[in-house]
Amino acid sequence: EAQVTQNPRYLITVTGKKLTVTCSQNMNHEYMSWYRQDPGLGLRQIYYSMNVEVTDKGDVPEGYKVSRKEKRNFPLILESPSPNQTSLYFCASRPTGVGGYTFGSGTRLTVV
Amino acid sequence: QKEVEQNSGPLSVPEGAIASLNCTYSDRGSQSFFWYRQYSGKSPELIMSIYSNGDKEDGRFTAQLNKASQYVSLLIRDSQPSDSATYLCAVKRDSSYKLIFGSGTRLLVRP
Repeated sequence: EAQVTQNPRYLITVTGKKLTVTCSQNMNHEYMSWYRQDPGLGLRQIYYSMNVEVTDKGDVPEGYKVSRKEKRNFPLILESPSPNQTSLYFCASRPTGVGGYTFGSGTRLTVV
Repeated sequence: QKEVEQNSGPLSVPEGAIASLNCTYSDRGSQSFFWYRQYSGKSPELIMSIYSNGDKEDGRFTAQLNKASQYVSLLIRDSQPSDSATYLCAVKRDSSYKLIFGSGTRLLVRP
């Protein structure tokens, strides 16, 4: 089944404790992206990647890091999480050319 | 002005009616337009994409695009309670990797 897989689905952590949210897609898509979704603010792009080793900042990159060492994986790293990073996070991928993103199931992160 | 604007709703329609959802965008360079459906607590699901002016139909869904007026709409015919969800409009320039989302319109279909 073609899909984007994120882990974990739920995560509660403490301020300052480094964490990684994994994302993997099995559709051989070139483009991958991370979004966060907050009430009243909608979906905002954090980082995106056009291909292996090619990444760029989205609208809200502060406090996040990404890497794209393999085409299928695009982890999101929070080096020192803070409470304002409590949010619902989505990873998404799409092929080159036309087409919309396919989204993963989401990761609900709570930072206390 | 937001780049992609949608009425937050809720838009309430009776079962069997046509639901009309609207979206306006500010960037005249936008070339690709998408409608996503998102159930509460779930991920967005792509339901329609449209790239040229006019109508595009897929089952009970029709997307309408008017680039001159910078709006895109989604019609849902024979609305069902299972259509109750938030509908997100998204737009993209072909020269950009960024997909910009509106905040979504919440649709309620009353049985």
